[in-house]
Amino acid sequence: EPEVTQTPSHQVTQMGQEVILRCVPISNHLYFYWYRQILGQKVEFLVSFYNNEISEKSEIFDDQFSVERPDGSNFTLKIRSTKLEDSAMYFCASSEDQGALGTQYFGPGTRLLVL
Amino acid sequence: AQSVTQLDSQVPVFEEAPVELRCNYSSSVSVYLFWYVQYPNQGLQLLLKYLSGSTLVKGINGFEAEFNKSQTSFHLRKPSVHISDTAEYFCAVTRSNFGNEKLTFGTGTRLTIIP
Repeated sequence: EPEVTQTPSHQVTQMGQEVILRCVPISNHLYFYWYRQILGQKVEFLVSFYNNEISEKSEIFDDQFSVERPDGSNFTLKIRSTKLEDSAMYFCASSEDQGALGTQYFGPGTRLLVL
Repeated sequence: AQSVTQLDSQVPVFEEAPVELRCNYSSSVSVYLFWYVQYPNQGLQLLLKYLSGSTLVKGINGFEAEFNKSQTSFHLRKPSVHISDTAEYFCAVTRSNFGNEKLTFGTGTRLTIIP
């Protein structure tokens, strides 16, 4: 069964450093998302991406964040200058086009720890 | 905007007993509803979804949920739980007429099965 994959599974970085989180969505999916889950809290939406453009972004997704689909398979989230409060589990998700009525499939997550 | 309320943050249940995890939502437009499960140290797995049609939906692992529009609820049930059901359960909602929009999650319910 096709699945969303994410790398790395864990990332430790120093405050102020740049990190890139990578995702490979399911191959025929067209919509891509990033969510995050701070330890002990609920899953929060960050950004959605379709047709090489951001469709929607949350208040969390400020200028320090960017997304890119550099090729036909990868979808990346970049945090330019990490802060302590960026420590969280980051989930990538993907969904088919509108015909599939929006069911999103999630990857296993990348646990980011900012020291 | 949509919101989801999961009133029970933790639910302990004896093995083989029935369980109900409560979810209420708020939205000014029609919605799709989802339950996701997160096993320890894993990502989010789709348990079941309500898009339209029959208000009783069946999912994986013997779970089912009932959509109640008048009460704006989407409670999750299982008639007999197993140790392996120990996990965090998230209810989520998305607007139904807008394609592949973001999911808004509840705060989650931690289900603990007591042997």
